[in-house]
Amino acid sequence: EPEVTQTPSHQVTQMGQEVILRCVPISNHLYFYWYRQILGQKVEFLVSFYNNEISEKSEIFDDQFSVERPDGSNFTLKIRSTKLEDSAMYFCASSLRQLNTEAFFGQGTRLTVV
Amino acid sequence: AQSVAQPEDQVNVAEGNPLTVKCTYSVSGNPYLFWYVQYPNRGLQFLLKYITGDNLVKGSYGFEAEFNKSQTSFHLKKPSALVSDSALYFCAVRDIKTGANNLFFGTGTRLTVIP
Repeated sequence: EPEVTQTPSHQVTQMGQEVILRCVPISNHLYFYWYRQILGQKVEFLVSFYNNEISEKSEIFDDQFSVERPDGSNFTLKIRSTKLEDSAMYFCASSLRQLNTEAFFGQGTRLTVV
Repeated sequence: AQSVAQPEDQVNVAEGNPLTVKCTYSVSGNPYLFWYVQYPNRGLQFLLKYITGDNLVKGSYGFEAEFNKSQTSFHLKKPSALVSDSALYFCAVRDIKTGANNLFFGTGTRLTVIP
């Protein structure tokens, strides 16, 4: 069964450093997303991406964040200068269509900023 | 604005008994509703969705959910719980009216099935 894969599973970084979280969405999907889950809190939407551009973003997704689909398979989330409060589980997701179609989630990358 | 409420942080049920995990939602238009399950150290797995049509939807692993528009609820149910159902369950909504594609999640309900 096709699945969304994310690497690494766990990343530790120092405050102020840049991190790139990587995702390989399901191959025929067209819509890509990043969500995050701070420990003990709800899953929050960060950004959605379609046709090589951001289609929606939340208030959380400020100038420190960027997304890219550098080739036909990868989808990345970059945090330019990490803060302690960026520590969270980051989930990548993809869907074939929008709105009435379920999103499939990866297993997540746990980011720890120290 | 969209929101989802899962009023119970924790639900305990004996193996073999029916289970219910509650969810209520608030949207400006009509909702698309989803249930996801999260096992330890795993991502979110899709269980089922309500888009339109029959209010009772069936999903994976014997789960079902009933859409109730008047009560703005979408409770998850299973007739007979298994120990392996123990996990964290999330309800999520998309608002058709806004056209936004992002999911709004509830805070999650931890289900523990007691052998």
